[in-house]
Amino acid sequence: QSTLTQPASVSGSPGQSITISCTGTSSDVGGYDHVSWFQQHPGKAPKLMIYDVTNRASGVSDRFSGSKSGNTASLTISGLQAEDEADYYCNSYTDSGARVFGGGTKVTVL
Amino acid sequence: EVRLVESGGGLVKVGGSLRLSCVGSGGSLTNAWMSWVRQAPGKGLEWVGRIKSKRDGETADYSAPVKGRFTISRDDSKNTLDLHMSGLKTEDTALYYCTSDIMDVWGQGTTVTVSS
Repeated sequence: QSTLTQPASVSGSPGQSITISCTGTSSDVGGYDHVSWFQQHPGKAPKLMIYDVTNRASGVSDRFSGSKSGNTASLTISGLQAEDEADYYCNSYTDSGARVFGGGTKVTVL
Repeated sequence: EVRLVESGGGLVKVGGSLRLSCVGSGGSLTNAWMSWVRQAPGKGLEWVGRIKSKRDGETADYSAPVKGRFTISRDDSKNTLDLHMSGLKTEDTALYYCTSDIMDVWGQGTTVTVSS
């Protein structure tokens, strides 16, 4: 299965809001409410931020929110902070029972 | 909270085999569906496969690139998860993570390097 499509990079100034998109098909993102988002800082293991489209993982700031429309899921980071600079990946359950990741988005805080 | 620790990584030649292990501590993995995810150097995350719990049939699903070459198994008595890799290719070079199926807990990863 192909990877989900994410923008390679997104940037914003401190305090601003940014949105990262994750586009799949009706066989994955569009067909299931099992989309997750992960944050990964350099040299670190990924950290679950959002699961099942909209649910924040334990301990995750409410500045992070998730949504979905059709075959596209989105992660919004509000009140951008320096510590949010990282790579972000989406992940979805698929028709075949497998899971698939997006290619990743590098978030830069200007 | 469950902690996961992977081991078994190393340098192997193309066509060779390797077994990675993941042990859980601080909680039982028995009822958890468990996955392996890998990350090639400088690249993104790639889902490798998942094994269901014994009560859900203990069946496994795999990504297309590894299907037929990799096998996931589990030993609930030891609280461990294994990834048996054979027919290794240079493109299998990566940091391999053990994680829960919903990916809320991750190990630190173990590195596999496949050389030609």
